[in-house]
Amino acid sequence: NAGVTQTPKFRVLKTGQSMTLLCAQDMNHEYMYWYRQDPGMGLRLIHYSVGEGTTAKGEVPDGYNVSRLKKQNFLLGLESAAPSQTSVYFCASSSYNEQYFGPGTRLTVT
Amino acid sequence: GIQVEQSPPDLILQEGANSTLRCNFSDSVNNLQWFHQNPWGQLINLFYIPSGTKQNGRLSATTVATERYSLLYISSSQTTDSGVYFCAVEGGDSSYKLIFGSGTRLLVRP
Repeated sequence: NAGVTQTPKFRVLKTGQSMTLLCAQDMNHEYMYWYRQDPGMGLRLIHYSVGEGTTAKGEVPDGYNVSRLKKQNFLLGLESAAPSQTSVYFCASSSYNEQYFGPGTRLTVT
Repeated sequence: GIQVEQSPPDLILQEGANSTLRCNFSDSVNNLQWFHQNPWGQLINLFYIPSGTKQNGRLSATTVATERYSLLYISSSQTTDSGVYFCAVEGGDSSYKLIFGSGTRLLVRP
């Protein structure tokens, strides 16, 4: 039981490049979330999903897209990366109560 | 939207000391969780506690939902308790989304 895993762990992008972050969970959770954490701050919700095939916007959705084609996977895409998207990205999943977090992806956009 | 405030923002303790961290929130909540972010960045669930009191070893938490606050108690602190403690709440509109406070940064000195 791996819990919540994220791929990759680190990435450096140039401005304008695109990339996809993968989140996978093996707990059969319905709900999945993408957050970003900037230095000295709490986490802010980017997008979330309440079930396979559904997505919704969180607090800071601009510049990101998501897809939930399979229940166990939640993808976060950056179509044209900007330096303001330099951050640590966390994925989480939950059933109805507690959210469980992955280890994070550190993304730098130069 | 719901506001979450944590205090104090920073705390330095000598090993063995006790501490209380506070989380105030501006509206009724369905969900309240406490997390510990360790120095390696991993977010660890401490408590799911929308109301009442729970204890887990040296840590305990109390949420008084009617007065809109939660407290996290750390007794006999150890250096491994260092890190950032986050309170996160889900609003009463059942939106499934957690709103994080900005955290309390704890340093326990040997």
